[in-house]
Amino acid sequence: NAGVTQTPKFRILKIGQSMTLQCTQDMNHNYMYWYRQDPGMGLKLIYYSVGAGITDKGEVPNGYNVSRSTTEDFPLRLELAAPSQTSVYFCASSYSGHTEAFFGQGTRLTVV
Amino acid sequence: AQTVTQSQPEMSVQEAETVTLSCTYDTSESDYYLFWYKQPPSRQMILVIRQEAYKQQNATENRFSVNFQKAAKSFSLKISDSQLGDAAMYFCAYKGSVWGAGTKLIIKP
Repeated sequence: NAGVTQTPKFRILKIGQSMTLQCTQDMNHNYMYWYRQDPGMGLKLIYYSVGAGITDKGEVPNGYNVSRSTTEDFPLRLELAAPSQTSVYFCASSYSGHTEAFFGQGTRLTVV
Repeated sequence: AQTVTQSQPEMSVQEAETVTLSCTYDTSESDYYLFWYKQPPSRQMILVIRQEAYKQQNATENRFSVNFQKAAKSFSLKISDSQLGDAAMYFCAYKGSVWGAGTKLIIKP
């Protein structure tokens, strides 16, 4: 079972560049999430979605955009990358807001 | 706004002994779920245990159990018979949206 698949695993961006982090899940989950984890810290919610066509901001949405055109996919777009966006990014999915979240392997992003 | 606080940045325990990790949270909601996740060096997030706020009975999963005190807004994790494989970062989470800063658990052989 693939579960939640994130790509890429590592990426180095130059300041001002843009990129899209891909996330797909094969569990038919309604909820999907994007988090960032800074060194020595817990997760901070960037955006989440409760179903196809529905997205909402989390705690730290500035500098990011998302879309949810299908149940399976939830890409995260970084526009005009800044050093403050250097972090590890996790995508996750769950059946509902109250059930276990399944996580991707994470993407380590460095902005230089 | 909801908050989650883990006051122990690091804990260490002798192998086979018991350790308790603390978590407090703040919310005005009455119905919610709380989670403990484990993150080993591989970076993968793994669910350890889940507690439903409307259930008074504390959740247990093999060697892992919680002490859930709803009125005190406390949700501690007890690990019994600690094993070397338990070494990891442990995160307390309120629903999927608010996470504590984590506790690094070190197991001494």
